[in-house]
Amino acid sequence: DAGITQSPRHKVTETGTPVTLRCHQTENHRYMYWYRQDPGHGLRLIHYSYGVKDTDKGEVSDGYSVSRSKTEDFLLTLESATSSQTSVYFCAISIDRVNTEAFFGQGTRLTVV
Amino acid sequence: KQEVTQIPAALSVPEGENLVLNCSFTDSAIYNLQWFRQDPGKGLTSLLLIQSSQREQTSGRLNASLDKSSGRSTLYIAASQPGDSATYLCAVTLPWAYSGAGSYQLTFGKGTKLSVIP
Repeated sequence: DAGITQSPRHKVTETGTPVTLRCHQTENHRYMYWYRQDPGHGLRLIHYSYGVKDTDKGEVSDGYSVSRSKTEDFLLTLESATSSQTSVYFCAISIDRVNTEAFFGQGTRLTVV
Repeated sequence: KQEVTQIPAALSVPEGENLVLNCSFTDSAIYNLQWFRQDPGKGLTSLLLIQSSQREQTSGRLNASLDKSSGRSTLYIAASQPGDSATYLCAVTLPWAYSGAGSYQLTFGKGTKLSVIP
């Protein structure tokens, strides 16, 4: 298994509170991604990173921000959580823009009440 | 915008049967296509990656084919087993040179939930 660790694995938070999810990789892959998975929508890209301090928006980026200060860590922040952000969040990694095979973490189940 | 469709949404087969899962995509200018397996409450496990220049890839009892011109891929599972029960997802990647937020990301289908009955 690819060395990807997501934390926390489960979290319940209240509407309006900030939340940060962490993805840590031990593979030294250049690209990292955050996806959310919802019934009826499948997996959708939130943000991705193509290097330290280099990030870009995905399909559903509103309400989310990301940071990558080290190759191995990619953080996803919900500045003010809303109930619509209740979802399962997955981190993924890939080597570079040529070798794009993606490997996924185990996911974080976030519930906003 | 690239759209990926997987039909059927659910499939139930008896153990030992050979089966085919289907994936179609609307934009044939893909960089590659990847098949994943997802067990309940778990992450995605990469099964096979097919580059746009390839026609098929094989791994054990799994064989994936790709027909870019028709926008279709199939995942063939031979001699199915109860342990194959899971949701199977296909995803395509557009070439990095495409502009916009849709570039260089995986676009997923909604998956086919497979149940193999002992």
